[in-house]
Amino acid sequence: EVQVVESGGGLVQPGGSLRLSCAATGFIFDAYVMHWVRQAPGKGLEWVSSISWDSGTIAYADSVKGRFTISRDNARNSLYLQMNSLRPEDTALYYCARAYTSGWNCAFDIWGQGTVVTVSS
Amino acid sequence: EIVLTQSPGTLSLSPGERATLSCRASQSVSSRYLAWYQQKPGRSPRLLIYGASTRATGIPGRFTGSGSGTDFTLTVSRLEPEDFAVYYCQQYGSSEFTFGPGTKVDIK
Repeated sequence: EVQVVESGGGLVQPGGSLRLSCAATGFIFDAYVMHWVRQAPGKGLEWVSSISWDSGTIAYADSVKGRFTISRDNARNSLYLQMNSLRPEDTALYYCARAYTSGWNCAFDIWGQGTVVTVSS
Repeated sequence: EIVLTQSPGTLSLSPGERATLSCRASQSVSSRYLAWYQQKPGRSPRLLIYGASTRATGIPGRFTGSGSGTDFTLTVSRLEPEDFAVYYCQQYGSSEFTFGPGTKVDIK
């Protein structure tokens, strides 16, 4: 079964750090662009970051640029999001998602169940 | 950054009725790189439409996407009970990927 499973969420104080992981199974991980998308409680979807199959192309939303770092380990079929200098407005459900083809400009066809990040003192 | 606006914010309809959802972009979306997603409460988003008009795998024919440039539409020809949800459009034609704020389709 093709799936991605997020982990690593939790409660962290403002200014703290957290590292999210996304484990991919059922597909050739290193053939796909991967993404992080978040959803604050009761709000809509917000794209966070994307990384190409070879980590050669990376993009961030302005809201996280300079604080978050996306990375991947193709040998471990895993995607990561290192989140530093966390703010209360980063509180959200964080989804890992796969592009539906190997190209950068593709919609997201596989989504995980998400991992909750709460930033609060 | 391309900003997406969706209208209406909420659409109240009855099962069997036709739903027409709009997504407008602040600038032209290149190569029709526009997708639609459905999200039900407590669930992850599901890809419905990509390339503005191509249905994703397993999506019923009652879902139709259309449009180009800055104006796009998602039509659900006859609403089934399971179609009541929030729908998001997304552009993926630039180096950044942006979502619209969503349209909630609820039962009248």
